[in-house]
Amino acid sequence: EVVLTQSPGTLSLSPGEGVTLSCRASQSVNTSFVSWYQQRPGQPPRLLIYGASVRASGVPDRFSGSGSGTDFALTISRLEPEDFTVYYCQQCGGSPLYTFGQGTKLEIK
Amino acid sequence: EVQLVESGGGLVQPGGSLRLSCAASGFSLTGYWMSWVRQAPGKGLEWVANIMDDGGSHSGASVKGRFTISRDNAKNFVYLQMNRLRAEDTAVYYCARGGSRGSLDYWGQGILVTVAS
Repeated sequence: EVVLTQSPGTLSLSPGEGVTLSCRASQSVNTSFVSWYQQRPGQPPRLLIYGASVRASGVPDRFSGSGSGTDFALTISRLEPEDFTVYYCQQCGGSPLYTFGQGTKLEIK
Repeated sequence: EVQLVESGGGLVQPGGSLRLSCAASGFSLTGYWMSWVRQAPGKGLEWVANIMDDGGSHSGASVKGRFTISRDNAKNFVYLQMNRLRAEDTAVYYCARGGSRGSLDYWGQGILVTVAS
């Protein structure tokens, strides 16, 4: 079973700062099938990154994804107030077919 | 505009059944994988089940044997039949479209299922 572990659980930062969120897989996953989502309170998740590094349509270029094998990252270069919310990584193709990380919450310091 | 609208949620007793529906519009279901993902109150995302464009399906371990996903391409609907419901199935259930490279590119607003006596 593929388990995705996101760290840290919560980060306290200020608008304008940059941040890198980590997602580690318990076994090597297909890099092409790693995605990142943003979820604001009361809203469904929004796809940010797919294929580990490809920005989804309409996603600002301050969001970028990287990684391969078991270690993946989402970087936000300059935090805007609306970026302070929860982020999930996800893989497809392992067992189970889809797995999500437990999420990282960004909060305003 | 792509839209996914879930319906059929509500309060059900433990051991009961419920069928969720997901109405897709703005695109044809044909050729797309579709998934159900749930989120228990205050918790993270959990993949529930997926149905591929050829009708083949997979489900997560926690629902295997109890939940069945199906699709009607002609009506542009996806369904989730949930049987033998348990308290721990209480969650908001999202319908999501399979996108590029294993992503889920469009999501419905979600529907709440509460399992309680």
